[in-house]
Amino acid sequence: KAGVTQTPRYLIKTRGQQVTLSCSPISGHRSVSWYQQTPGQGLQFLFEYFSETQRNKGNFPGRFSGRQFSNSRSEMNVSTLELGDSALYLCASRPDLGNEQFFGPGTRLTVL
Amino acid sequence: AQTVTQSQPEMSVQEAETVTLSCTYDTSENNYYLFWYKQPPSRQMILVIRQEAYKQQNATENRFSVNFQKAAKSFSLKISDSQLGDTAMYFCAFIVQTGANNLFFGTGTRLTVIP
Repeated sequence: KAGVTQTPRYLIKTRGQQVTLSCSPISGHRSVSWYQQTPGQGLQFLFEYFSETQRNKGNFPGRFSGRQFSNSRSEMNVSTLELGDSALYLCASRPDLGNEQFFGPGTRLTVL
Repeated sequence: AQTVTQSQPEMSVQEAETVTLSCTYDTSENNYYLFWYKQPPSRQMILVIRQEAYKQQNATENRFSVNFQKAAKSFSLKISDSQLGDTAMYFCAFIVQTGANNLFFGTGTRLTVIP
């Protein structure tokens, strides 16, 4: 089975712009979670989607949003980018009957 | 609150030796799962080992084993016969069985295997 894939791998944006990141889960996985990883804050949970519904949300401002499509692919969007949004964004998928989360390679976002 | 503490920011070990990474956590839940993830310089987060909190037997996966002490809320990782490819950041994490489905991560331990 193919692993979790994320596109793009690298992204450079300027303050005020918006960005969309994409994640394709492992085939058959309906749960997709997003995490932000920064040197200062570590790994922080953004949100989880399951069957096109947001099931859980972390403590991030409304500028961070996401969605999931019927094929379980997920996108996250960050509007009005700030310098502090520079981070590695990791996506993970989970099987319905398991608790392990399998991570993608991440998208490195740099905000200038 | 759900928290994970990794008190060793950096560690090093000689190739072929054994090293133990520490992790403590805090949760009021009784049913949860614990994990160790490895993140090499390539950034891909890789699951190393998992432990169900209801199981007393410590998990083992080849050269990796854990020492799970539920009462002490401690979950250490032992790496035997360390290899150069073990050089990475190691994150301890847990997820509760009910409610939120997100992982709570520690701050990580950077392990360097010295040839």
